[in-house]
Amino acid sequence: EVQLLESGGGLVQPGGSLRLSCVASGFTFSTSGMGWVRQAPGKGLEWVSTISSRGSPYYADPVKGRFTISRDNSKSTLYLQMNGLRVEDTARYYCAKRQGLRYLDWSHDYWGQGTVVTVS
Amino acid sequence: QSVLTQPPSVSGAPGQGVTISCTGSPSNIGAGYDVHWYQQVPGTVPKLLISGNNNRPSGVADRFSGSKSGTSASLAISGLQADDEADYYCQSYDNRLSAWVFGGGTKLTVL
Repeated sequence: EVQLLESGGGLVQPGGSLRLSCVASGFTFSTSGMGWVRQAPGKGLEWVSTISSRGSPYYADPVKGRFTISRDNSKSTLYLQMNGLRVEDTARYYCAKRQGLRYLDWSHDYWGQGTVVTVS
Repeated sequence: QSVLTQPPSVSGAPGQGVTISCTGSPSNIGAGYDVHWYQQVPGTVPKLLISGNNNRPSGVADRFSGSKSGTSASLAISGLQADDEADYYCQSYDNRLSAWVFGGGTKLTVL
């Protein structure tokens, strides 16, 4: 059974930093693309960042230059380092496994429960 | 303003069918990128409903189907049930933004 367990969320002041973690199990983490999707309170889903199995990172424009995605395959863990946090970054952050033959066509096939980040 | 446009809401009676549209542009759906659909029951985690335009993951009822044509895609739900009440999101890739993008979401109400 695929499981994704996020942690690291919390309350932080504008300009502050947080590091989110996502521990994965139930699949071969090292060969899977992974990513982060966020959902602001009462709003829709927003893609944040993705990392390929080889470690190539991709970022949405609103977070580019402030957020850094990384992975530790030895620990089956995905990270999101968030610096320069803004009020508009307030959201539940979901860790998701990426799936598909071609990376541009990747879906998000499994999701964690999410961790809440509040910037205030 | 989402790159992929969905109607804010749709509704239907139990047993009926509904269709949710996802309108894109030549830089995303029209460029041939796959469209995926997600279901999010209020208070729960999003769930992949349709992948690769029209493929149902294991465990998804065949009442759900997807299609794509030109710069648009659609999710069809037949035989509506009360527990189909949820928010539905489409997702694709946009080569102008170099980003994966979600639609704004559609709230389905089962009357």
